[in-house]
Amino acid sequence: AQSVAQPEDQVNVAEGNPLTVKCTYSVSGNPYLFWYVQYPNRGLQFLLKYITGDNLVKGSYGFEAEFNKSQTSFHLKKPSALVSDSALYFCAVRAPPSNTGKLIFGQGTTLQVKP
Amino acid sequence: KAGVTQTPRYLIKTRGQQVTLSCSPISGHRSVSWYQQTPGQGLQFLFEYFSETQRNKGNFPGRFSGRQFSNSRSEMNVSTLELGDSALYLCASSWGTSGRGDEQFFGPGTRLTVL
Repeated sequence: AQSVAQPEDQVNVAEGNPLTVKCTYSVSGNPYLFWYVQYPNRGLQFLLKYITGDNLVKGSYGFEAEFNKSQTSFHLKKPSALVSDSALYFCAVRAPPSNTGKLIFGQGTTLQVKP
Repeated sequence: KAGVTQTPRYLIKTRGQQVTLSCSPISGHRSVSWYQQTPGQGLQFLFEYFSETQRNKGNFPGRFSGRQFSNSRSEMNVSTLELGDSALYLCASSWGTSGRGDEQFFGPGTRLTVL
């Protein structure tokens, strides 16, 4: 079965420090991977995606993610965290053979950035 | 460009009633997907519509149904509401023709409370 795991319910980091939010996946075939962020009482906002090519993907608001096929991981990173980055982060996968909209989401990781 | 809009934003219903939620996608987007978000189950895919046809369906009972109109607007209906249907219902739109790399854009959601 296809699945996505975010092993940490919450990540705490001090403002200005680098942050990492972890994601691992289990799918058959080549995955298409996505990161979304959700602020309170809001829908999900797209951050970045990996389809093919360079393993390091750059996205919105200074975020980037590294695809590692051997470790089946797609960790979200940012060199210097801001208090305003505090939110709920979701990793998602769209796996073959689906060409449809269905995304499989991880359980989410709450990022808390403290001043 | 206007984003995805969902109406109403909040709903309170009682068990046994039915409810209809509406979603207007981003202009030009032909795919609309629906997700249910709860604290316990996280984000779960309900169904996707593309050009007025259901293209994919998640593992939800038949009480959950949807449709899409010729202008790509979509509605989802839940009949015979149960307490467990209390959730944030998110709608997402995308072009629908770019294969698995299509990123979805989410609306703010409809918060349904079943009493």
